[in-house]
Amino acid sequence: DQQVKQNSPSLSVQEGRISILNCDYTNSMFDYFLWYKKYPAEGPTFLISISSIKDKNEDGRFTVFLNKSAKHLSLHIVPSQPGDSAVYFCAASYNDMRFGAGTRLTVKP
Amino acid sequence: DARVTQTPRHKVTEMGQEVTMRCQPILGHNTVFWYRQTMMQGLELLAYFRNRAPLDDSGMPKDRFSAEMPDATLATLKIQPSEPRDSAVYFCASRRTLNTEAFFGQGTRLTVV
Repeated sequence: DQQVKQNSPSLSVQEGRISILNCDYTNSMFDYFLWYKKYPAEGPTFLISISSIKDKNEDGRFTVFLNKSAKHLSLHIVPSQPGDSAVYFCAASYNDMRFGAGTRLTVKP
Repeated sequence: DARVTQTPRHKVTEMGQEVTMRCQPILGHNTVFWYRQTMMQGLELLAYFRNRAPLDDSGMPKDRFSAEMPDATLATLKIQPSEPRDSAVYFCASRRTLNTEAFFGQGTRLTVV
């Protein structure tokens, strides 16, 4: 069963605008959430995380929001840059770590 | 520069052959994960270990896949016999402890013909 879902396979935004990537989860036991970025032929690299005791975490252009009641998290990238073009994976952790199917972000110059 | 190392990077094998993929986790990390990347399901968890003990391998086809961690510096994923549907990229990742990020290796691209 897919415990972590990213329902948008792709997203295209203009350079300088905001990118919003969404993720839903089903298991209320998850207590730590992460976003990873992946380029072709490379392993995923960690981007930002949030504990379930928080509802927002910010790191430069990247902000992750957590809505526990809705079992939903999102990643905001502001401003988006062409170098941000990659596949973004959402992950949720309790003991193990489960990933969504990914969203391919394309930032157009 | 600590990193997770996976070998081989690429493997082409014939159906029915045994395949062994290896992973060296980052020193001091107590948890090792094995994932398979598929188009439909993204990163699919196959198995994971904490302090070398297997905690969950329910994501693996039991009849053909096996995962072991013979020591703290080596994790292995074996497929015997391999089938064309096993063709995918297999990733290993390790993390220091709970509620920390996992670091990924570069993956092993497996092609079974």
